[in-house]
Amino acid sequence: AQSVSQHNHHVILSEAASLELGCNYSYGGTVNLFWYVQYPGQHLQLLLKYFSGDPLVKGIKGFEAEFIKSKFSFNLRKPSVQWSDTAEYFCAVDLYGGSQGNLIFGKGTKLSVKP
Amino acid sequence: DSGVTQTPKHLITATGQRVTLRCSPRSGDLSVYWYQQSLDQGLQFLIQYYNGEERAKGNILERFSAQQFPDLHSELNLSSLELGDSALYFCASTGTGGTGELFFGEGSRLTVL
Repeated sequence: AQSVSQHNHHVILSEAASLELGCNYSYGGTVNLFWYVQYPGQHLQLLLKYFSGDPLVKGIKGFEAEFIKSKFSFNLRKPSVQWSDTAEYFCAVDLYGGSQGNLIFGKGTKLSVKP
Repeated sequence: DSGVTQTPKHLITATGQRVTLRCSPRSGDLSVYWYQQSLDQGLQFLIQYYNGEERAKGNILERFSAQQFPDLHSELNLSSLELGDSALYFCASTGTGGTGELFFGEGSRLTVL
């Protein structure tokens, strides 16, 4: 079955440290890729997305992600994290490439940033 | 605020019971999605409705059913509840612009005792 793997369950960083969260998916066809974020006590919201074109996509709040098709990966990065980035991050894949919305989510990575 | 409203926010019930979760999508959004989030399974897609019609089905149990009404709000019905049904149930909606962005509600936390 198709799946999305997020390698880290919980990441703890100090402010100003660099961040990279891994995401791999198992599907050989066309995909749309997403990162969603859930701040404490809030709803899930879109951080960034990749449909086609430049494999390096930029999102809100200084986040970016790189799609590497050969590695089936879509890792999330941020050069310098802030305390306000403390949240849970979910990678998601739309298998059908048609923005149907029935996304497959990874299990999430909890990021804790120490001030 | 995403514009998606879910009620109730919290619900505690007993095994064997039936509950109904309600979702109002963002104004103008025709598609509604239901997801279940549990500690062991993560976020799992259950079902999608588009303008009142079932559009896609995921890992939804036969004990669960959903519908979307003419005013576009949706209800998820969970029956013969088991302990393992305890989870956070999210509703999301999206428009027709094809951006692929889902707008999520804050979820309904169901506890089955």
